[in-house]
Amino acid sequence: NAGVTQTPKFRVLKTGQSMTLLCAQDMNHEYMYWYRQDPGMGLRLIHYSVGEGTTAKGEVPDGYNVSRLKKQNFLLGLESAAPSQTSVYFCASSQDGSINQPQHFGDGTRLSIL
Amino acid sequence: EDKVVQSPLSLVVHEGDTVTLNCSYEVTNFRSLLWYKQEKKAPTFLFMLTSSGIEKKSGRLSSILDKKELFSILNITATQTGDSAVYLCAVEGTYNNNDMRFGAGTRLTVKP
Repeated sequence: NAGVTQTPKFRVLKTGQSMTLLCAQDMNHEYMYWYRQDPGMGLRLIHYSVGEGTTAKGEVPDGYNVSRLKKQNFLLGLESAAPSQTSVYFCASSQDGSINQPQHFGDGTRLSIL
Repeated sequence: EDKVVQSPLSLVVHEGDTVTLNCSYEVTNFRSLLWYKQEKKAPTFLFMLTSSGIEKKSGRLSSILDKKELFSILNITATQTGDSAVYLCAVEGTYNNNDMRFGAGTRLTVKP
């Protein structure tokens, strides 16, 4: 049982390049989330999804897009990477949005934008 | 604006010491408060608290919530080097449909 798997684990991009981060979960969870973690700022929610085919903005959505075409996958896209997007990105999933359903996290993707 | 503040930001103790980590919050329509432990990679779930005054325990770790004063504490007794990690507090509100706000974390270092 892999849980939440993120690919890639590390990536270095040049400013202006685009890329997609992939998150896959095998727990049949309805909700999925993308966070970024920066020093001294904790985890901040970028976008989330409450089910296949749905997405919604979180706290810091600008510069990112997401898609949830399949229930088990949640993609995070950077169309034109900027140095301010250098961060560690975490994906998480939860059974649903009800109380007593904690989020389960992947191991993170470390992204550096030069 | 919703916010979650953890203190201290970092803490260094010796094995066997007892530590108390603090989390205060201001969140619209509070639903739950969660504690996570983050070592090198993924945060791992510790506790979820929804009601005031009810202590949750797991081994040497315990946590309690005060919804009147808007804070929670995480206690670790008889600390071990394996407790070294960043401890994250997160508060879930209903303002933005399952939005969860994280604190910056407390970095705990336990020395032998």
